[in-house]
Amino acid sequence: SQTIHQWPATLVQPVGSPLSLECTVEGTSNPNLYWYRQAAGRGLQLLFYSVGIGQISSEVPQNLSASRPQDRQFILSSKKLLLSDSGFYLCAWSVGHSSGNTIYFGEGSWLTVV
Amino acid sequence: EDQVTQSPEALRLQEGESSSLNCSYTVSGLRGLFWYRQDPGKGPEFLFTLYSAGEEKEKERLKATLTKKESFLHITAPKPEDSATYLCAVRSNQAGTALIFGKGTTLSVSS
Repeated sequence: SQTIHQWPATLVQPVGSPLSLECTVEGTSNPNLYWYRQAAGRGLQLLFYSVGIGQISSEVPQNLSASRPQDRQFILSSKKLLLSDSGFYLCAWSVGHSSGNTIYFGEGSWLTVV
Repeated sequence: EDQVTQSPEALRLQEGESSSLNCSYTVSGLRGLFWYRQDPGKGPEFLFTLYSAGEEKEKERLKATLTKKESFLHITAPKPEDSATYLCAVRSNQAGTALIFGKGTTLSVSS
């Protein structure tokens, strides 16, 4: 069965510091990968998605970036964090490109920028 | 622009008191409507996918229905363990493979 791992689960970072969140998917190949952010009082906001190695689509202009160095690995990064980057970050995956392919989420990473 | 609106924002029920959650959507060609359950501090858990008006899906005390403009998540005789935030999301021609989410309805069921 497929599983998704996301880490770290919680982190507190000072303003201006770098960020790296990692996500790996097991049990499938060539997944579509996603990074979502959930801020207090807001819905899940799509940040990035990837349909293959090195292919990244950005949905929201910001100081975050994403990379996909391997088929089942997705990384969210920032060079300098802002207070507004605080939130709950979720990695997710799906397989295929049909209308019905379900997106499955990891357990999330809580980021607090202080 | 694709939009998903959920109501109410919060709902408090007594155990056994049935009710419905609403998800209205405006999309450029619906390719699927998804319901998720999210417990506090956890990632969303998939519940249902609906594709066309008139379609219904059931799972235990939950039933999801779909019309051309909205979806309902009916909760029959809820129990305290049904307490969670329920998220609605759509996949459209514009969104590609990604999902566009509403802000959710937080359900609290007391015994």
